[in-house]
Amino acid sequence: GAVVSQHPSRVICKSGTSVKIECRSLDFQATTMFWYRQFPKQSLMLMATSNEGSKATYEQGVEKDKFLINHASLTLSTLTVTSAHPEDSSFYICSVAGGIYEQYFGPGTRLTVT
Amino acid sequence: GQSLEQPSEVTAVEGAIVQINCTYQTSGFYGLSWYQQHDGGAPTFLSYNALDGLEETGRFSSFLSRSDSYGYLLLQELQMKDSASYFCAVRGDDKIIFGKGTRLHILP
Repeated sequence: GAVVSQHPSRVICKSGTSVKIECRSLDFQATTMFWYRQFPKQSLMLMATSNEGSKATYEQGVEKDKFLINHASLTLSTLTVTSAHPEDSSFYICSVAGGIYEQYFGPGTRLTVT
Repeated sequence: GQSLEQPSEVTAVEGAIVQINCTYQTSGFYGLSWYQQHDGGAPTFLSYNALDGLEETGRFSSFLSRSDSYGYLLLQELQMKDSASYFCAVRGDDKIIFGKGTRLHILP
């Protein structure tokens, strides 16, 4: 399957600051990447679909001005959490579609907002 | 809308067999997938079923009945390392939706 990396793996930031999370597809050119958020002991919630060279598609209830997504190349998508607040603390995971049914996930980024 | 139902927790004994069920409701169906996630880790793809029947991959098997909107993941010869959360996922029109996950506890 595809190899996906994320950076950073953990980040702690102060309330009101912005944080950028990178997602890289290391061995696969991905025109589409997905961003998920997962709270402790909960399921993966799709936040947005990142499309290379065009605007991301956000799920209902996800603020696109708060969660900025940029997919500038076939191997890199970034998620920027702007003006982060403690309730944004979560596990953020990106994925690449390896086929119709399969998704390959990055290792995730643990965000803690103090 | 789309929804998936699976038990929140299942407990089994090491060496035994366990079945995790998943029922789904979706507009547009292209297949049922299963993912494993260990604590603190990312989900990893286990299997998928696009057609009715049983798919076997080593100790893990997955079953689908499209007429019943139902599937299950079967884990055999359970090992302690199988302790994890298991998510079923349905491929809809343009994205994959995940169930809430089943936490599998394995007793020695």
